[in-house]
Amino acid sequence: DIQMTQSPSSLSASIGDRVNMTCRASQNILTYLNWYQQKPGQAPKLLIYAASRLQSGVPSRFSGSGSETDFTLTISSLQPEDFATYYCQQSYYARAFGQGTKVDLK
Amino acid sequence: QVQLQQWGAGLLRPSETLSLTCGVYGGSFSDYSWNWIRQPPGKGLEWIGEINHRGSTYYNPSLESRVTISVDTSKNHFSLNLNSVTAADTAVYYCARGSSITIFGLKRNWYFDPWGRGTLVTVSS
Repeated sequence: DIQMTQSPSSLSASIGDRVNMTCRASQNILTYLNWYQQKPGQAPKLLIYAASRLQSGVPSRFSGSGSETDFTLTISSLQPEDFATYYCQQSYYARAFGQGTKVDLK
Repeated sequence: QVQLQQWGAGLLRPSETLSLTCGVYGGSFSDYSWNWIRQPPGKGLEWIGEINHRGSTYYNPSLESRVTISVDTSKNHFSLNLNSVTAADTAVYYCARGSSITIFGLKRNWYFDPWGRGTLVTVSS
């Protein structure tokens, strides 16, 4: 199995901050990595697929980078609607999610 | 704009079988995978498995012995059965469409979009 580890598990930030969170795979997954945003009581929403490709309709302040085992999701300027939990997901072998990074207000 | 609507029983007793169905409206049923994903209260996401329009399945190895996913292409529905449930199966269950792109001319990267609204299934005696 491929294990996905996200860090930090939570972070506090202010409006306008640049926010980075990471996702590490237990083995090389090339760029078979996707990112989702989930708000309380809602289904997850796709943000980034194939490590760096922005899903249609997602604001350009979201970006993804990385390959092989180390990946980063960046929010360039945090907005009020961005407070949520973010999950990475690999599809190199089966499908598996990280445990999430919760972003809240400092 | 494709929409996924899901339904099924929300309260089960231990050892019973969980059954949920997801209807796909407004979009093509072929060329995608159709997935079930769950989320225990306050916890993260767990992929359960997928099916395509031809009926080929792919399950999470950790759940494979208890899971069956089926498809009814005449109705654009797909279903999840999970048998012998316990309290550990209490979760919000989501259906989701799987889309893919081919990377480096190799295998496909699969991602989930859109998702159904989720169904809370509680297992309690």
